Amino acid sequence: AQSVTQPDIHITVSEGASLELRCNYSYGATPYLFWYVQSPGQGLQLLLKYFSGDTLVQGIKGFEAEFKRSQSSFNLRKPSVHWSDAAEYFCAVGAEYGGATNKLIFGTGTLLAVQP
Amino acid sequence: EPEVTQTPSHQVTQMGQEVILRCVPISNHLYFYWYRQILGQKVEFLVSFYNNEISEKSEIFDDQFSVERPDGSNFTLKIRSTKLEDSAMYFCASLGHYNSPLHFGNGTRLTVT
Repeated sequence: AQSVTQPDIHITVSEGASLELRCNYSYGATPYLFWYVQSPGQGLQLLLKYFSGDTLVQGIKGFEAEFKRSQSSFNLRKPSVHWSDAAEYFCAVGAEYGGATNKLIFGTGTLLAVQP
Repeated sequence: EPEVTQTPSHQVTQMGQEVILRCVPISNHLYFYWYRQILGQKVEFLVSFYNNEISEKSEIFDDQFSVERPDGSNFTLKIRSTKLEDSAMYFCASLGHYNSPLHFGNGTRLTVT
């Protein structure tokens, strides 16, 4: 069965510091991988996605993520965090994409706090 | 950029009452979904809908839940007899075509008292 693990429930970083949020997945075939961000009281905004090809994907707001098949990981990174990045971040894995069933399995999320 | 719109943003209801959560997906999208997030927990898949029928549903989506696309633009989730444990944020999402990502709405926070 598909699953997503985000081992860090809560992370605090200083503004300007680098950030890495961990995500590990379990899936038998090549997964479709996503990172979403949720600001307080807001919906889920897509940061970036991996379908195939280049394993380093660039997203919005200066985020990037690297797909490492050997480690079953899809960690999210940002070289310099801004205070506005404080939010909850969700990693998600999807099965065959584009079909009538398009179920995403989400991780439990990582809450990012940014210190001035 | 087109958005998925959900109304209301917050709904409070009494246990046992029926609620209808409304969503307007992006206009040319073909696949529609409901997800749920209980406070402090992960986002969970409820149901997917395509070609005017349910294509998959989770074990959460029991007989008290139903979905409908009544008029070609709205996509609704009905909970017939709400329970306290139905309190959650409900997200609607839509998908346009192959290899495009899901677009989520801002959610409806349902509080059952």
